[in-house]
Amino acid sequence: QSVLTQPPSVSGAPGQRVTISCTGSSSNIGAGYDVHWYQQLPGTAPKLLIYGNSNRPSGVPDRFSGSKSGTSASLAITGLQAEDEADYYCQSYDSSLSGSCVFGGGTKLTVL
Amino acid sequence: QLQLQESGPGLVKPSETLSLTCTVSGGSISSSSYYWGWIRQPPGKGLEWIGSIYYSGSTYYNPSLKSRVTISVDTSKNQFSLKLSSVTAADTAVYYCTIVVVPAAPYWGDWFDPWGQGTLVTVSS
Repeated sequence: QSVLTQPPSVSGAPGQRVTISCTGSSSNIGAGYDVHWYQQLPGTAPKLLIYGNSNRPSGVPDRFSGSKSGTSASLAITGLQAEDEADYYCQSYDSSLSGSCVFGGGTKLTVL
Repeated sequence: QLQLQESGPGLVKPSETLSLTCTVSGGSISSSSYYWGWIRQPPGKGLEWIGSIYYSGSTYYNPSLKSRVTISVDTSKNQFSLKLSSVTAADTAVYYCTIVVVPAAPYWGDWFDPWGQGTLVTVSS
């Protein structure tokens, strides 16, 4: 049971827009801690996709965007491409666990 | 550009201690800009933060693993290490080492970038 809740799977056709939600609580996202997102392509290590709720590291396409509101955050992917098929994880910090970095359970994105 | 590489035994017996090392290249582990961390991923499952360390030796651990975890740093070898004691099959996972970015305002909350390629550790007799 992850502290941050993500849908197990989402899907979309090439060119479409999909969103992945990340729901937390008042001790993590709702407390003001930032949300970060990672992309894990099959058989590879996770890669930072979004940091500080909505910032893209250098090299990440602007098709990827993040937002945060209240106790939740979202990752949006526009112009879906086959290469976007991967697992996506949100991550934040939780003050109720003696201070601990926490992850969502992950969302498998399938490009139809 | 900083790069990280995990190394260590791929098979550990139950009740023994798992030991892994992360070698940092492309920069100094003594940099004041970063912490250094370990994260694991059981096969087919999600990510779990294990703990983080500063080059000075200050550490913080996942409370659920704290009683079994020790993370240390060797600045002379530009390496940091993970020890997890009394392992069981539940500790079977891919273990990643990573740079922990501890940001200044306006950001609030660490993130991890980049990651090593990961190493699979299986706990089995």
